[in-house]
Amino acid sequence: DIVMTQSPLYLPVTPGEPASISCRSSQSPLHSNGNYFFDWYLQKPGQSPQLLIYWGFNRASGVPDRFSGSGSGTDFTLKISRVEAEDVGVYYCMQGLQTPYTFGQGTKVEIK
Amino acid sequence: EVQLVESGGGLVQPGGSLRLSCEASGFTFSSYWMHWVRQAPGKGLVWVSRTNEDGSITDYADSVKGRYTISRDNAKNTLWLQMNSLRGEDTAVYYCGRDLAGSNSRWGQGTRVTVSS
Repeated sequence: DIVMTQSPLYLPVTPGEPASISCRSSQSPLHSNGNYFFDWYLQKPGQSPQLLIYWGFNRASGVPDRFSGSGSGTDFTLKISRVEAEDVGVYYCMQGLQTPYTFGQGTKVEIK
Repeated sequence: EVQLVESGGGLVQPGGSLRLSCEASGFTFSSYWMHWVRQAPGKGLVWVSRTNEDGSITDYADSVKGRYTISRDNAKNTLWLQMNSLRGEDTAVYYCGRDLAGSNSRWGQGTRVTVSS
């Protein structure tokens, strides 16, 4: 199974300041079609997960442009350029290259 | 509007069975792979199972293989998860998801399953 390792697991943030979450996969989630089958999700309190970034770098529809995804190989990063109060929740990375699909442990983001 | 509505959760005794349903609307259900993902209380997300567009391909996590069965009826826009021989560690919120890897990913609100005597 592909193991996804996130860091940090807890991230206190100040509104208006940038934030960054890392995810490392034990194998590259690069598909033969050239896309990384690697997504970032946000689970807001009491809600189901919502897609933020797909294929490593692409913002999902309706996602604010303060969110960006980067990385290659086995190392990926989610960046929030200026955190807003509505960004609190648990962020997960996920690989969908092979079954079982696997998620990172989650990074809990809270406002300081 | 894309909607996925899970139902069928509840309290069941160890060793019992439960059938979860996911009713889809707002999109062409038969064009998408569908998944089940679960989340134990206070824990992270765990992928459970998936099926392809016509139900001819199914995959399972090792922890549920042989006990769970995923199926779908495209005429009814419905996905199911038959869960047998339930254990305490199966206690979780179960989410139905559309095409999890990529831009078309959508999740339902989940249905809670509690396995306890």
